[in-house]
Amino acid sequence: QLQLQESGPGLVKPSETLSLTCTVSGGSISSSSYFWGWIRQPPGKGLEWIGSIYYSGSTYYNPSLRSRVTISVDTSKNQFSLKLSSVTAADTAVYYCARMLPTPAKTKGWFDPWGQGTLVTVSS
Amino acid sequence: DIVMTQSPDSLPVSLGERATINCKSSQSVLYSSNNKNYLAWYQHKPGQPPKLLIYWASTRESGVPDRFSGSGSGTDFTLTISSLQAEDVAVYYCQQYYSTALTFGGGTKVEIK
Repeated sequence: QLQLQESGPGLVKPSETLSLTCTVSGGSISSSSYFWGWIRQPPGKGLEWIGSIYYSGSTYYNPSLRSRVTISVDTSKNQFSLKLSSVTAADTAVYYCARMLPTPAKTKGWFDPWGQGTLVTVSS
Repeated sequence: DIVMTQSPDSLPVSLGERATINCKSSQSVLYSSNNKNYLAWYQHKPGQPPKLLIYWASTRESGVPDRFSGSGSGTDFTLTISSLQAEDVAVYYCQQYYSTALTFGGGTKVEIK
């Protein structure tokens, strides 16, 4: 059974870089069948897609976050990671990682399963 | 970006009654080459990650009870819970995957009346 687990600091200072890692177990991140994604949920708000990555390193980002986001993959560790730079209080959210099941076009799809999520608070 | 608008924001429903959640996209998510609607539905309970219920607008994920059904095409979609159970209390989200810039609806909170 595929499982995903987010890890990283729960508190980040304004203007610094948020860094999270998602560890995948029960399956290989190098599967050609899937993408991997990050989604966040600010307190009291809805879900926002941050970006997705293929095991080859191809990435797709939310246009509204593209200038600050980097997603990378480490196939040797079965992990993928998120870096979000120049954070502000608006970046406070629960961050989820998830497997993306792609359409035939590969670059887009739906998410299943999801990690439990990790709360990241941006505060000095 | 394709904007997804859900209604209502909150939906009180009596146990055993039908719950109907609407999702409207700002442009069609029907892909003409394969006649598929690029839309998914999720259930999100407090303290848990979102759970996939339906994809391709109407295909139920394995293990999802058949009281959940999805319908609609083009820009207008519906998630129906035919007979609300206590464990169905949650926020429900739609998501389009027609555009590479994936977007979610704002959510509909289903509660017991």
